[in-house]
Amino acid sequence: DAGVTQSPTHLIKTRGQQVTLRCSPKSGHDTVSWYQQALGQGPQFIFQYYEEEERQRGNFPDRFSGHQFPNYSSELNVNALLLGDSALYLCASSRTTGGPANEKLFFGSGTQLSVL
Amino acid sequence: QKEVEQDPGPLSVPEGAIVSLNCTYSNSAFQYFMWYRQYSRKGPELLMYTYSSGNKEDGRFTAQVDKSSKYISLFIRDSQPSDSATYLCAMTGGSTLGRLYFGRGTQLTVWP
Repeated sequence: DAGVTQSPTHLIKTRGQQVTLRCSPKSGHDTVSWYQQALGQGPQFIFQYYEEEERQRGNFPDRFSGHQFPNYSSELNVNALLLGDSALYLCASSRTTGGPANEKLFFGSGTQLSVL
Repeated sequence: QKEVEQDPGPLSVPEGAIVSLNCTYSNSAFQYFMWYRQYSRKGPELLMYTYSSGNKEDGRFTAQVDKSSKYISLFIRDSQPSDSATYLCAMTGGSTLGRLYFGRGTQLTVWP
């Protein structure tokens, strides 16, 4: 049973460029969340997708956008990259069951983005 | 004030020691509490998941939640070198598992 898979594993971009990160959720999961983890910090919530809609959003600018496809996979897009966007981007999946007590969040290994 | 506070360490203990990791939080709406383990350059791995106050034990790991003090703990008994990692606390409230609020993580090293 494959877990959460992310691609690419590493990416180097320059300021002002745009980037797309991809995520395939764990089998049986229908909800995808994206997190940004700066070096030495805990993950920060970017947004969550469920039924192809953005269900929740954290405190990130509109430069960060996403999409969920009918097969539950997801993309994170970041426009006009800044040096401060350099971080590990984590995708996490879960199965929405109607109550957090029965839901668990599983993370992928992340995409390390470096902005030069 | 951050919603979740966690001492980043680093914490260094000998093999076999009991390790205590802690987080405090400010939002009384948090009801679901998690501990994740993160190895270098990997994604976080769920270790423990508890609801509301109380204790939960799983093998060498025990999670405690004290909602009255807004304080959670993770104890690791008989620590092993393979336990060396960063430990992240996370928590949330609400009707579905949406946004998790993480601490910054405590870096633990268990030396043989």
